[in-house]
Amino acid sequence: DVKVTQSSRYLVKRTGEKVFLECVQDMDHENMFWYRQDPGLGLRLIYFSYDVKMKEKGDIPEGYSVSREKKERFSLILESASTNQTSMYLCASSKVRGTNEKLFFGSGTQLSVL
Amino acid sequence: GDSVTQMEGPVTLSEEAFLTINCTYTATGYPSLFWYVQYPGEGLQLLLKATKADDKGSNKGFEATYRKETTSFHLEKGSVQVSDSAVYFCALSDLRGGGADGLTFGKGTHLIIQP
Repeated sequence: DVKVTQSSRYLVKRTGEKVFLECVQDMDHENMFWYRQDPGLGLRLIYFSYDVKMKEKGDIPEGYSVSREKKERFSLILESASTNQTSMYLCASSKVRGTNEKLFFGSGTQLSVL
Repeated sequence: GDSVTQMEGPVTLSEEAFLTINCTYTATGYPSLFWYVQYPGEGLQLLLKATKADDKGSNKGFEATYRKETTSFHLEKGSVQVSDSAVYFCALSDLRGGGADGLTFGKGTHLIIQP
């Protein structure tokens, strides 16, 4: 089975800190995604990538950046964390672009910004 | 743009009751449709999918039929169990930018099954 691993399950940071959320997948998937999940809002796409060093903005990219230096790893960066970025962050991957393949999700990182 | 609307919960049922969770969508093309489930403390996992009109996806006793005429993909199960308690997300595919398969999700329906 595909495994998508997120480095932290819970994270507490202070306002203004630079925060790195890491995600690794082990099945050579082309596509990787970062979503945030908030009660009453569902999942919203932040950024995605379909190749190494490539990135595309999702629906809510403001305040975030991403890095994909290796195919298996996709990092989400909060340049200066703010309280409104307190959320559950979900990483996902899928095999091949343009085929409507299913997404495989990690277990999530619950980030609290104080 | 594309969007998904699903009934918001929580939905509370007794064990062995019949379940329906409504989902409707708007899309410019002909998307694939999905139901994902999130059990407590876990990430989302695919429950079932349908890729074209009149297709029926099924898994673990759950079913959903892709209805193009009503733009719907309602999730049903004949007899729910306590272990079905979870959050259920309806989603559709959309090809963004260079073709990565992003999904547009509904807000999720929290299902609670009481023994």
